[in-house]
Amino acid sequence: DSGVTQTPKHLITATGQRVTLRCSPRSGDLSVYWYQQSLDQGLQFLIQYYNGEERAKGNILERFSAQQFPDLHSELNLSSLELGDSALYFCASSVEPGRRVHTRTDTQYFGPGTRLTVL
Amino acid sequence: EDQVTQSPEALRLQEGESSSLNCSYTVSGLRGLFWYRQDPGKGPEFLFTLYSAGEEKEKERLKATLTKKESFLHITAPKPEDSATYLCAVLIQGAQKLVFGQGTRLTINP
Repeated sequence: DSGVTQTPKHLITATGQRVTLRCSPRSGDLSVYWYQQSLDQGLQFLIQYYNGEERAKGNILERFSAQQFPDLHSELNLSSLELGDSALYFCASSVEPGRRVHTRTDTQYFGPGTRLTVL
Repeated sequence: EDQVTQSPEALRLQEGESSSLNCSYTVSGLRGLFWYRQDPGKGPEFLFTLYSAGEEKEKERLKATLTKKESFLHITAPKPEDSATYLCAVLIQGAQKLVFGQGTRLTINP
């Protein structure tokens, strides 16, 4: 158990709908990362938040958005869903985004994921 | 473009048959290289971090090594419970995201 929690475990919805995925980082971790894993793309970075602020963006679609709240949990919002959005969505957390050299503060620990199925 | 390539894509071994998985990378600047294990439908489980060429880390039957262009994950006398997909990822200097390889799917037959 990594200490990162994600809800829900499974989500089945229809095209055009909107869903919210939730993540709670490990105790003490300030950074939260979201990744998407599909069969053909592997694990792809979406977005990172550090202590409530957006720090980095990857291949995140405009239909997707995220935020990190004062209690450090994060939510990933996916809207106008398409069939191709079906994937596993993972949240990861780390202490801080690699400010120190050669320490474990930049190791990212992953949650169990949310499986999204768009029908 | 930053790229991580893992080989082989899949590997089937007999219990006790040692082997190595390869991760080669082309990046603008390496901050760290990470190995994860992933079971089907589960989240990646952290195994090792390597920061410098020549560095080695060991955990039970696994040993990870790093050179300037690649990393190896050596598995010694594997058991069926070592069956999983092993993912390699790099953290780029000045960036926050992990860039993952496609993984090696390892199957250990009893």
